Amino acid sequence: GNSVTQMEGPVTLSEEAFLTINCTYTATGYPSLFWYVQYPGEGLQLLLKATKADDKGSNKGFEATYRKETTSFHLEKGSVQVSDSAVYFCALRLMDSSYKLIFGSGTRLLVRP
Amino acid sequence: DVKVTQSSRYLVKRTGEKVFLECVQDMDHENMFWYRQDPGLGLRLIYFSYDVKMKEKGDIPEGYSVSREKKERFSLILESASTNQTSMYLCASSSGQGWGTEAFFGQGTRLTVV
Repeated sequence: GNSVTQMEGPVTLSEEAFLTINCTYTATGYPSLFWYVQYPGEGLQLLLKATKADDKGSNKGFEATYRKETTSFHLEKGSVQVSDSAVYFCALRLMDSSYKLIFGSGTRLLVRP
Repeated sequence: DVKVTQSSRYLVKRTGEKVFLECVQDMDHENMFWYRQDPGLGLRLIYFSYDVKMKEKGDIPEGYSVSREKKERFSLILESASTNQTSMYLCASSSGQGWGTEAFFGQGTRLTVV
C-alpha cells in the first residue's frame, strides 16, 4: 500500500548544528511530496514541496530533494535555530482523484541554545 | 491568506455524547479533510469530501460521520463519543487544481472524552 516512513524522534541538536530528517515513501505512480511543520499548539503548515523527480523544494533554509530512485525526500538544514523546534511531517499526495495526503508519523526536533 | 477555522480549540465531552466538530474555510476549496493526530501515529485520515454533499471514508471512519451541506463548511460528528476518541482533530482544505497543491490546516481541536 501507499505509506510514508520517517525517522523516529526526538532529534535533539545544538543551535547551528546540521539537520537531517529522513523520509522514504511507498506509492504507486509519481506522487507529490511535502514537508509540513507543526509548532507547539498550532496546526500544520506547509514547509516545502516537490512535485516531480529531482525537484528540490526549499524554504526558510530547509531543503529536500525528490529522489525517485531511492524513493526518498530527506529534509535538511545547514544551521538550525532554537525557533526551528517543532514536529516535522513528511507527506505524499497520490496522483488520483482523491487529493488526500498520506502522512508519516512525525519527527520532533528540539534545538538547544 | 487562506484561513481554515475550527470552531473550538479544546473540548471536554462525556462518554456517549454526540459531538460536533465544525470547520470552515474561506478559499472556495473543493476538497476538505478530517484527520486525527495521535502521538507516534502521525495523522490518520477519517473522512474527506471533494464536493458539496459528497464524502469518502478515509482510513479510520468507524465511530465517525461527516456532513458537507455547504462548500465552505465540513463537520465531523462523533455519534456516541468514547474514551478512545480522545485525540487532536485537524481539519484541512485544498484546491482541486493539480496534485502539487498544498493542503491548508486549521489549528486543531483537542477533544477529551471522559
